[in-house]
Amino acid sequence: QKEVEQDPGPLSVPEGAIVSLNCTYSNSAFQYFMWYRQYSRKGPELLMYTYSSGNKEDGRFTAQVDKSSKYISLFIRDSQPSDSATYLCAMSGSSAGGTSYGKLTFGQGTILTVHP
Amino acid sequence: SAVISQKPSRDICQRGTSLTIQCQVDSQVTMMFWYRQQPGQSLTLIATANQGSEATYESGFVIDKFPISRPNLTFSTLTVSNMSPEDSSIYLCSVEVGGGRTEAFFGQGTRLTVV
Repeated sequence: QKEVEQDPGPLSVPEGAIVSLNCTYSNSAFQYFMWYRQYSRKGPELLMYTYSSGNKEDGRFTAQVDKSSKYISLFIRDSQPSDSATYLCAMSGSSAGGTSYGKLTFGQGTILTVHP
Repeated sequence: SAVISQKPSRDICQRGTSLTIQCQVDSQVTMMFWYRQQPGQSLTLIATANQGSEATYESGFVIDKFPISRPNLTFSTLTVSNMSPEDSSIYLCSVEVGGGRTEAFFGQGTRLTVV
């Protein structure tokens, strides 16, 4: 079993739809949760990061973390064709060597297409 | 955020040769990371590079194959040695900004094709 599981999609939605992307994880040491957006032939771009359980909103994007269920989500409201990309969840946490925020474990990525 | 520049952006190499990828950051960072993204796959951590110490490699990756240098707080290199077609991937540099911030930022990646 992988430490981080992400619905691979692909996901195709009409413009204006609400998109829900999800990841589950098994490692209780994960404390920091991130969502990256990756356009074709580009590096991952950080969209959202959260630490505690709850919601965090930034414009059309909302990140949700439920540590008790080991489940995180990213919601995109009023989706646009420019949102078409691969969305990666990523997590980091404590290990024997201490906490390294940048040492990330990624999900498989969800390919999202928003069509006009 | 940190601005990360990787060179080269892409390359096509002959099997058996080596390629060194450079990563330059616009600010001093404590920790730098190298990831691999194989075709159609997600990112896998290769190693962590701290300035002034040996890189720490993840399971499945060894120093002889992926030697890393970290000569200062803004620069690192990853060498892919004795390449085979299975090494064809995107190699990405990432940094942890530090200073209490928990975000990690990525460069644009180096797209490597081994023929």
